[in-house]
Amino acid sequence: GQNIDQPTEMTATEGAIVQINCTYQTSGFNGLFWYQQHAGEAPTFLSYNVLDGLEEKGRFSSFLSRSKGYSYLLLKELQMKDSASYLCAVMDSNYQLIWGAGTKLIIKP
Amino acid sequence: ETGVTQTPRHLVMGMTNKKSLKCEQHLGHNAMYWYKQSAKKPLELMFVYNFKEQTENNSVPSRFSPECPNSSHLFLHLHTLQPEDSALYLCASSQGASHTDTQYFGPGTRLTVL
Repeated sequence: GQNIDQPTEMTATEGAIVQINCTYQTSGFNGLFWYQQHAGEAPTFLSYNVLDGLEEKGRFSSFLSRSKGYSYLLLKELQMKDSASYLCAVMDSNYQLIWGAGTKLIIKP
Repeated sequence: ETGVTQTPRHLVMGMTNKKSLKCEQHLGHNAMYWYKQSAKKPLELMFVYNFKEQTENNSVPSRFSPECPNSSHLFLHLHTLQPEDSALYLCASSQGASHTDTQYFGPGTRLTVL
């Protein structure tokens, strides 16, 4: 079966750095997405990785290792507004998006 | 302001009611999606439309009936729902038929079935 694993919940301190991991087992791979979802709001696109390596976008970076079936989202200089759920999704060989259950990130002052 | 809007934002209905959810995208996209999001579960893809044609129906019960009159509008008609259908229903759109296109989500309709 196809599976996306990410931690259910994480806590971090304002101003710090946090890494949210995502591991996947899918039939084929056509890219990995990260989305941010604030409570009661729409998921919003953060990043798309299809090649190995690190993609940096301001305070947020996303890393992919296809051989390990692994990705992480790195958030630097955390702000209170970063409190949200972070969704990992992988596109399989049939171009189906397989979603993780999301990681709820709690930022404390 | 999101490019994808959904109405209503909240809906409470009895099991014998009939209601419809509406989604509209203002992004010029050609593909639209319905998802179900339950607490602490992955997003579940329900239906996909490309250029107004339904291309996927992921074993969704017939009490959910989609309609796509044009590439900007998507409806989800609901009838004789069950309490376990209570969830957040999200609409999304993407540029073209390729599923690698980034999907843009609406704010969702929070549905409660009594």
